[in-house]
Amino acid sequence: AQTVTQSQPEMSVQEAETVTLSCTYDTSESDYYLFWYKQPPSRQMILVIRQEAYKQQNATENRFSVNFQKAAKSFSLKISDSQLGDAAMYFCAYRSPNTGFQKLVFGTGTRLLVSP
Amino acid sequence: DVKVTQSSRYLVKRTGEKVFLECVQDMDHENMFWYRQDPGLGLRLIYFSYDVKMKEKGDIPEGYSVSREKKERFSLILESASTNQTSMYLCASRAQGSFNQPQHFGDGTRLSIL
Repeated sequence: AQTVTQSQPEMSVQEAETVTLSCTYDTSESDYYLFWYKQPPSRQMILVIRQEAYKQQNATENRFSVNFQKAAKSFSLKISDSQLGDAAMYFCAYRSPNTGFQKLVFGTGTRLLVSP
Repeated sequence: DVKVTQSSRYLVKRTGEKVFLECVQDMDHENMFWYRQDPGLGLRLIYFSYDVKMKEKGDIPEGYSVSREKKERFSLILESASTNQTSMYLCASRAQGSFNQPQHFGDGTRLSIL
């Protein structure tokens, strides 16, 4: 079974600085999807960014980008020019197209603190 | 815009009660999911449904059941609530067949069993 590991329970960053959140995963599959979700204090999980394993180019969404290292099974999230509104729990998630109805496997989350 | 609505944000029940958590989506999605979120454990899948009246067990189904009588509604049932079921419960939905599409989540129900 696939597993997702987020080794940083909590990270801190100052406004306008850059922070990187780590995620590693374990799989024997060659094709899969990876996601970063954000959960602010309002609690609704919001998709931040997604990456398809067969694409070599790293995904980017405005200030958010990923460093996808397929051989190392690593999928880190970089947040540039951090803002107070970025404070949230961040979850890394894995999806296989081959498992039943594309279930998501989540990591344990990283709490990001942003200070002025 | 996608909307997943969970009927309660906070719920307090007593041990042994039968508890219903309701979730409604307005996107005509085939797939719906119930997760449990606990600190240090992330989100764990309880049950999911891929069509009306169809369901599959997730990773932690014990003590739970589900009902999907209509496509837009997916209910999580705690048959006899216990204190170890105190948790945050998240519902999600997703369109079938769109492999790279994300799941859309509700705001969560924080359930306390006394």
